[in-house]
Amino acid sequence: QQKVQQSPESLTVSEGAMASLNCTFSDRSSDNFRWYRQHSGKGLEVLVSIFSDGEKEEGSFTAHLNRASLHVFLHIREPQPSDSALYLCAVSMSTGYQNFYFGKGTSLTVIP
Amino acid sequence: GGIITQTPKFLIGQEGQKLTLKCQQNFNHDTMYWYRQDSGKGLRLIYYSITENDLQKGDLSEGYDASREKKSSFSLTVTSAQKNEMAVFLCASSIGGHTEVFFGKGTRLTVV
Repeated sequence: QQKVQQSPESLTVSEGAMASLNCTFSDRSSDNFRWYRQHSGKGLEVLVSIFSDGEKEEGSFTAHLNRASLHVFLHIREPQPSDSALYLCAVSMSTGYQNFYFGKGTSLTVIP
Repeated sequence: GGIITQTPKFLIGQEGQKLTLKCQQNFNHDTMYWYRQDSGKGLRLIYYSITENDLQKGDLSEGYDASREKKSSFSLTVTSAQKNEMAVFLCASSIGGHTEVFFGKGTRLTVV
């Protein structure tokens, strides 16, 4: 079964400083990666999806995938206090019916 | 755009009680999902359905039943609530196998 781990568990950054979140997965045949954000008491909001090695940018969010090293990163450029939330990494494979495996999340706090 | 509506937002039940959570989507999506989110853990898939009247077990299906009587709705039943059941239950939907997944805001279950 796929194992997805995220680090760090929590991260505090100053407003405007780059935030980098890490996600590792166990199955090298995975090919569908998503980063979600969840504000307290709210549903999940997809930030960026990536399907092949390299980078994918969506606004201030950049995902970086390296399947050989089993890592997918999320970089948040110039985060604002409103970006304080739980960030979840989700990993799936094209074979089988889209069962995404989620990490436990990184709790990000952006201080003014 | 569409929306996923989960009811109720908060559910309090007694240990041993049978409890039902409901989910409606107006995206006209074929696939619907139920995930459980525990504090400090990632999301785990309970059940999913790829079309009306279809049910597929996820990794966490024991102790739950699900029902997809029509395309727009997907219900989850906790067959006998336990105190360790306390969690947020998230409903989601997507067009098909590997397209974007949209989430509801969740039902928070408390068992007393």
